[in-house]
Amino acid sequence: KNEVEQSPQNLTAQEGEFITINCSYSVGISALHWLQQHPGGGIVSLFMLSSGKKKHGRLIATINIQEKHSSLHITASHPRDSAVYICAVTGNQFYFGTGTSLTVIP
Amino acid sequence: DSGVTQTPKHLITATGQRVTLRCSPRSGDLSVYWYQQSLDQGLQFLIQYYNGEERAKGNILERFSAQQFPDLHSELNLSSLELGDSALYFCASSVAASWSTNEQFFGPGTRLTVL
Repeated sequence: KNEVEQSPQNLTAQEGEFITINCSYSVGISALHWLQQHPGGGIVSLFMLSSGKKKHGRLIATINIQEKHSSLHITASHPRDSAVYICAVTGNQFYFGTGTSLTVIP
Repeated sequence: DSGVTQTPKHLITATGQRVTLRCSPRSGDLSVYWYQQSLDQGLQFLIQYYNGEERAKGNILERFSAQQFPDLHSELNLSSLELGDSALYFCASSVAASWSTNEQFFGPGTRLTVL
């Protein structure tokens, strides 16, 4: 049983496209995290949110607590956005999704 | 560069052996987290230390142990290694104890290969 489900698993987009990655969770949480993992393996924390919406540059993250759902949007995608995006939730425990592999083609 | 350092970068060892992975948190961070990332299990939280004390435990095997020293660096000890322990091991740090209100900064990881 997966406490955190992400979709899609893989995503290929043309440069400039608007991208959405979805995350659904089944446990009670105090926060949801979006992480980015580049091909070299390094992980960067993009967002940590417990309600509403956050924006950082071309990235936007939203969360709907009632529906237990979050989305990560990338506007005007660029090849450097190519990475694995991982959703994680924290409550009593720390649970990770399996990640969405994004490839942006020039 | 996150400011979190991990050594070694790569480690190759044999089944049954014991290894120690080291993590130095960002300056000023009191919390250290350990994660395992394998191909079949994805990312998993292992354990968290805050200011020298164990704060939270995840899916850490009994063969694994960790500690955080007075200078705040942390070590993850893996013993009686099995093939399935081959994975990337990440360390992360944050300023305070709560994993829900404090951003974590990840180290570059240690790639462990058990032959």
